[in-house]
Parts: sequence; structure tokens; C-alpha cells
Amino acid sequence: AQSVTQLGSHVSVSEGALVLLRCNYSSSVPPYLFWYVQYPNQGLQLLLKYTSAATLVKGINGFEAEFKKSETSFHLTKPSAHMSDAAEYFCAVSRSGAGSYQLTFGKGTKLSVIP
Amino acid sequence: ETGVTQSPTHLIKTRGQQVTLRCSSQSGHNTVSWYQQALGQGPQFIFQYYREEENGRGNFPPRFSGLQFPNYSSELNVNALELDDSALYLCASSSLAGGSEQYFGPGTRLTVT
Repeated sequence: AQSVTQLGSHVSVSEGALVLLRCNYSSSVPPYLFWYVQYPNQGLQLLLKYTSAATLVKGINGFEAEFKKSETSFHLTKPSAHMSDAAEYFCAVSRSGAGSYQLTFGKGTKLSVIP
Repeated sequence: ETGVTQSPTHLIKTRGQQVTLRCSSQSGHNTVSWYQQALGQGPQFIFQYYREEENGRGNFPPRFSGLQFPNYSSELNVNALELDDSALYLCASSSLAGGSEQYFGPGTRLTVT
């Protein structure tokens, strides 16, 4: 079984400050890990993914995430927050025991950016 | 390249009714997955279709069923609607491969009264 825990349902940062959104996973096999962003009343947009290549993954809009196997973590960071980053962020893990590669999501972290 | 599209955008149904939601997958993708996102929650996996066959199912009752067509588009059918079925239903298309990213449509907002 696989699961994802996102620490902090709501994170507030000032514009220009570091963004850090935390994600820990549980998986019995090496995972594939994803971060998605959801703007109000919209679907999910892929930010980045980890698939066992480089442990530091760069995504769109200046976001990056580092896979740390020893800590079972995949935290999302951005050096400088922008107002347009305000949205809900979901971490997800995917690994199949039966070929379906279904995504298991965390509960999400809502990011607010203060001007 | 056309992205994932879903219809309708919004839907209001009465408890006990049946509903069909539709999804067109992204060009080149042969796999469609459906997710239910309740208010304030992360999406939960309902099921996945690969080449017109169900290829995995989450913890949802049999009244949730689906179809995938030869052009890889898909339908989600829900019978005997319950109030708790009110949610955003998301469709995602992908290739069936390890680490393959899933591309999501905008979703269908279902309200059951």
C-alpha cells in the first residue's frame, strides 16, 4: 500500500519569500512521485515528477523538489514566491502492483502569498 | 495538440438518479483514469481504463462504473446517486507506463440534492 502525508493544510508566505511545502510518502516499492497544482475551480496541472533519475527535480514556474529516500520525503520548494503561486498543491505517489499506476494523493496544502 | 476535455462542466442531480460524465483523452494516450475530489480533499482514485478494459479500481462501490471507447474517450456512470457523491470528478489521460504523468481535465462539478 502507498500513502502520502502533506504537513500543513495551509501555508502563508510573503511575496518574495521562500516557499516550502512538505510531503512524505510511504511505499513498499520505489515510488514515482509527483507534485500537482490546482487553481480555484480548475483541474490539476503537473508541476514536476520524480521517476528514479536525478534526485533533484526541476519543474515549471521555478519550482523544484528533492527526493530523499532516507527521509521518505519529496518536499516542494521555490526560492521566491509570486502572487500567482497562490493555489492548492497536491503531492502524489504512483506505483503499481498490478499495472494500473494509479495516483494516491495527499490532502493538499493551500498556499497563500501575502503582498 | 488537444488536451483532456470533460463534459458537462456542472451538473445538478437528485438523490437516487443516475448520471453519466464524459471525458476525451489527450491525443496519443491510451489510458484514462477517473478521480473523485470531495470539497477540501485530495482526489481519490475511482478506476482506470486501458484499451477498453478496466485496469484497476479504487475503493468505490459497483454503482460507479465506466467505459472506454476505441478512440480512448471514456464515460463514468454513477447509479443511485447519494448526497455524498457530490464532488468534482476529474478525468486524467496518460500512457500506461511506469512514471508516466497523468494529464487532468478541468473536471465536472456534480451536486446531488
